[in-house]
Amino acid sequence: NAGVTQTPKFQVLKTGQSMTLQCAQDMNHNSMYWYRQDPGMGLRLIYYSASEGTTDKGEVPNGYNVSRLNKREFSLRLESAAPSQTSVYFCASSEAGQNNQPQHFGDGTRLSIL
Amino acid sequence: AQSVAQPEDQVNVAEGNPLTVKCTYSVSGNPYLFWYVQYPNRGLQFLLKYITGDNLVKGSYGFEAEFNKSQTSFHLKKPSALVSDSALYFCAVREIYDMRFGAGTRLTVKP
Repeated sequence: NAGVTQTPKFQVLKTGQSMTLQCAQDMNHNSMYWYRQDPGMGLRLIYYSASEGTTDKGEVPNGYNVSRLNKREFSLRLESAAPSQTSVYFCASSEAGQNNQPQHFGDGTRLSIL
Repeated sequence: AQSVAQPEDQVNVAEGNPLTVKCTYSVSGNPYLFWYVQYPNRGLQFLLKYITGDNLVKGSYGFEAEFNKSQTSFHLKKPSALVSDSALYFCAVREIYDMRFGAGTRLTVKP
């Protein structure tokens, strides 16, 4: 079982470059999420997609855009990367409308902006 | 908004001793509380959850958590720690559409 797959695993960018982080899940989940993890701050929600065709801002959306390509895939785009976006990015998925269900996480993309 | 707090950045225990990782919560209404574990270079893995019912919740790898409504706490426990339990632990509370995480507690179990 692959679960949640994120690509790439590592990336180094220069300030001002753009890139897209890819995420795919094979659990038939309706909801998908993008988080960033910074030391001492836990995980903070960037964007989420409650169901296919919808996306909404989370706690820290500035500088990011997302696309829910289909039920399986949810991508995160940095249009003009900044050093403050150096972080580890996690994608997660869960069953929709079920507050008592856990989220399932990928292994992350480690992104450095120089 | 819902929130959780993990008052300890670091917890150190000796192998074979009991361990406790603390979490307190602030919610309106009934809380949906979770514990996750993160090993190096990996994503978060679900350990256990509290929804309703018994205050002692059992989860994966021998972990359990005690829900205490009067103290608004949801502490993670294990009777006998293993070196392999060394990892980063996150408490979380479920919002309607997402999960709010604590800052994490690094558990180190020494042989």
